Amino acid sequence: DQQVKQNSPSLSVQEGRISILNCDYTNSMFDYFLWYKKYPAEGPTFLISISSIKDKNEDGRFTVFLNKSAKHLSLHIVPSQPGDSAVYFCAGVPNQAGTALIFGKGTTLSVSS
Amino acid sequence: NAGVMQNPRHLVRRRGQEARLRCSPMKGHSHVYWYRQLPEEGLKFMVYLQKENIIDESGMPKERFSAEFPKEGPSILRIQQVVRGDSAAYFCASSPGFHTEAFFGQGTRLTVV
Repeated sequence: DQQVKQNSPSLSVQEGRISILNCDYTNSMFDYFLWYKKYPAEGPTFLISISSIKDKNEDGRFTVFLNKSAKHLSLHIVPSQPGDSAVYFCAGVPNQAGTALIFGKGTTLSVSS
Repeated sequence: NAGVMQNPRHLVRRRGQEARLRCSPMKGHSHVYWYRQLPEEGLKFMVYLQKENIIDESGMPKERFSAEFPKEGPSILRIQQVVRGDSAAYFCASSPGFHTEAFFGQGTRLTVV
């Protein structure tokens, strides 16, 4: 039973447009959420986070929105750049001590110039 | 401050051999997590350790896999009698404590031939 779901395996966007990556979670055990970006043959790198008490967090071109009632969050990248092409993972940080991050399966973003 | 260091980056083993994957966390980090990424899959949690303690090994296969994080030295993920299905990228992450984002190493790519 997957607790963090990224239902779109891939997304293609043109340079300059907005990329929207979605993530759903199945219960309220998470205190906050993280987005990681991963290039091929590299480890994931932390991108942006959002606390469960907030509904928006912005950092430059990246904005994450959280809708707790829908158990849904999304990462917006605007404007998208070719260098943003990577796999994006959504992860939940559980509120229970002794529990590790729980990741979704990832969405591969391709930004074409 | 060096990041999370994993070695080797690439490891080839014949079926039936043992694989040892090492992970040195970031300085000051006492929490270590191991994740596995199979082809076309996301990051699957395997085990969460603190110094000399296994906190959560619920994602670890019951047989052939073991992990440790000794008082001195790196964390070790050990796979005995490897099979082809063990071929994957294994990522280690560390954090300074519970409830914070984790920082990932570059991964070890295990190929079983």
